Amino acid sequence: AQSVTQPDIHITVSEGASLELRCNYSYGATPYLFWYVQSPGQGLQLLLKYFSGDTLVQGIKGFEAEFKRSQSSFNLRKPSVHWSDAAEYFCAVGVPNNNDMRFGAGTRLTVKP
Amino acid sequence: GAVVSQHPSRVICKSGTSVKIECRSLDFQATTMFWYRQFPKQSLMLMATSNEGSKATYEQGVEKDKFLINHASLTLSTLTVTSAHPEDSSFYICSANSGTDTQYFGPGTRLTVL
Repeated sequence: AQSVTQPDIHITVSEGASLELRCNYSYGATPYLFWYVQSPGQGLQLLLKYFSGDTLVQGIKGFEAEFKRSQSSFNLRKPSVHWSDAAEYFCAVGVPNNNDMRFGAGTRLTVKP
Repeated sequence: GAVVSQHPSRVICKSGTSVKIECRSLDFQATTMFWYRQFPKQSLMLMATSNEGSKATYEQGVEKDKFLINHASLTLSTLTVTSAHPEDSSFYICSANSGTDTQYFGPGTRLTVL
């Protein structure tokens, strides 16, 4: 079965600074990869996803992620963080044509003024 | 598009009562719906997967008689927590997909059992 690891439990960045959240996956073939964001007490909002094709994926709210097969990674980036980006971020890995999706433990982002 | 709603957003109940949570896909037909449970500061734990018109598939360790799932239509799934106890207090989130391998999540339901 597939699995996903988010090595960073908590990250703090200053407003306006760049951001990179790490995500590593384990799966024998090319998986489907997702990044979701969750604000406190809310559900999850899809930021972006990768199924195939261009390995650099653009998402909503200025986020992007790059699929690197050689590193089994799908790191999330944003060039300039806004205070409203403070939230919990989840990376998830799915299997094509299968409903089984696994979530990472999440990375909590704090944005300093 | 791809909006999923949940009702209620919060519910407080007494121990021993049953609580029903609804999950609706508002602008698409959901071939599959999922129910997750999330403990504070933790990730999502998949409880069960349901397809319209068939019995739900429960993850290992999830009591199917405790957490009743009904997926009666392509836009509605319900989770009923039967004889709820304080340890059932949690944040329950549903998601749905339309067969595109992407899950869209509801806003969640905070259950507190006194």
